[in-house]
This record gives sequence, C-alpha cells and structure tokens, in this order.
Amino acid sequence: QSVLTQPPSASGTPGQRVTISCSGSTSNIGSNTVNWYQQLPGSAPKLLIYSDNQGPSGVPDRFSGSKSGTSASLAISGLQSEDEADYYCATWDDGLNGPVFGGGTKLTVL
Amino acid sequence: QVQLQQSGPGLVKPSQTLSLTCAISGDSVSSNSAAWTWIRQSPSRGLEWLGRTYYKSKWYNDYAVSVKSRITINPDTSMNQFSLRLRSVTPEDTAVYYCAREGVYSARGVIITSYGLGSWGQGTLVTVSS
Repeated sequence: QSVLTQPPSASGTPGQRVTISCSGSTSNIGSNTVNWYQQLPGSAPKLLIYSDNQGPSGVPDRFSGSKSGTSASLAISGLQSEDEADYYCATWDDGLNGPVFGGGTKLTVL
Repeated sequence: QVQLQQSGPGLVKPSQTLSLTCAISGDSVSSNSAAWTWIRQSPSRGLEWLGRTYYKSKWYNDYAVSVKSRITINPDTSMNQFSLRLRSVTPEDTAVYYCAREGVYSARGVIITSYGLGSWGQGTLVTVSS
C-alpha cells in the first residue's frame, strides 16, 4: 500500500482535459513540495512537474500541477494519444525521512 | 544534458550481494547541486526510493529505512560514477533498478530543496533466484 493515494486509472478523449489526484497527509504533501512523473511503457519515469507546479524545460505546458493542503493534482489539457502512460506523484515524507511515491495512475486515451 | 548509464548483473542468488553501477556524463558526481539516487520498481512494491549520495564539502548518504541495514551507495570520483550494493538479497528484492539525478539545493550537508529526479538511467531488471 503506497503512502500517497492515486486513482488506479483515468481516461479521456483527444483534446479533453483530465486531472489525476494524489492524496497524502500532513507529514508528506502537507509540508513538502510534490513532483509528478510520466512513465511510458518500457521506459524509465520522466519528470513532468517539480515543486508543485513547475515544469522542466522541454515539458509541454499542457501539463500543470497544483496543490492544496494534503492533496495534489496533475492536469493534462489538450489530451493527445502519446499522453497514454502511467503517472506518479512523489514527495518527501517527514516521518519516513525519505521520498515516497504514489501507486500510479494509468491514463488511457480513448 | 545529463546522461546516466547503468551496468551490472541481471541475476543474483539469494543471500548474495546485488551490485550496480551508474556512469555519469554531462555532470559531476561531486556536483553541489545534485544528489545521486537509486530507486527500484516492482509490481508488488511500486516505485521505491532506496537512497542517495551527495557532496557538500564532504560526502553524505541518506538511505530508506526499509533497506538501511543492507545498503551502501558510494561515489567514485575517479570514474565519475556511483554504485549500489544491496546485501543479503531475497526474492523480494527482484525489481527493475534505476539510478537517477536529483536536482537539489543544500546547505551544511542538509538538502533543503529538491527539484525532482530530472535524469534517469535506462533501468536494470535484477532477478533474485537460485
């Protein structure tokens, strides 16, 4: 069981906007910044969002992040077929004294 | 652009030591703005952070509680690489192992801000089996 809770699946049609949630607690999301990763089949994860809402260079601005209290969200606008992947949230946990990941959300583009 | 190249065996016997190496290009293992990290991924445990090494006037290590008694992460400045050693492995240690670069801001040996794991190795499937 992951420390951070994500829905196991999400879906949308091309051009749609989808959001993926990540729920934690005061010892992790509530007191630390959140990162989001995209993992395409057979590949290593790729950093999509860091520090709650910052996009690394090269990541399309269709991807955005937000946080409120002990929950965070990843939004993908203008959904494309190549966005079909697994998405993970991650943050530091003060109790465990290390980074923790969500269980991942598999995004399907219908 | 930072690139990480992993090497090491894909099969380890139970009770033996898992050893992997991650060669760095495009950055230095002694960088003051990076932490060099190992993570593994398995169907049963998902993504699991194992630990990291970083340099700020001297070398520091952080390890996950779950493996702290069995793990060593070492930098190799002469080869610009870092390594993972996990002792006394069991079949539960079977996973895809990744090395990664974490962008950080640290002071007095404490990482104050993390900018995420921005570069990853290609992954190594390690199977623990006799």
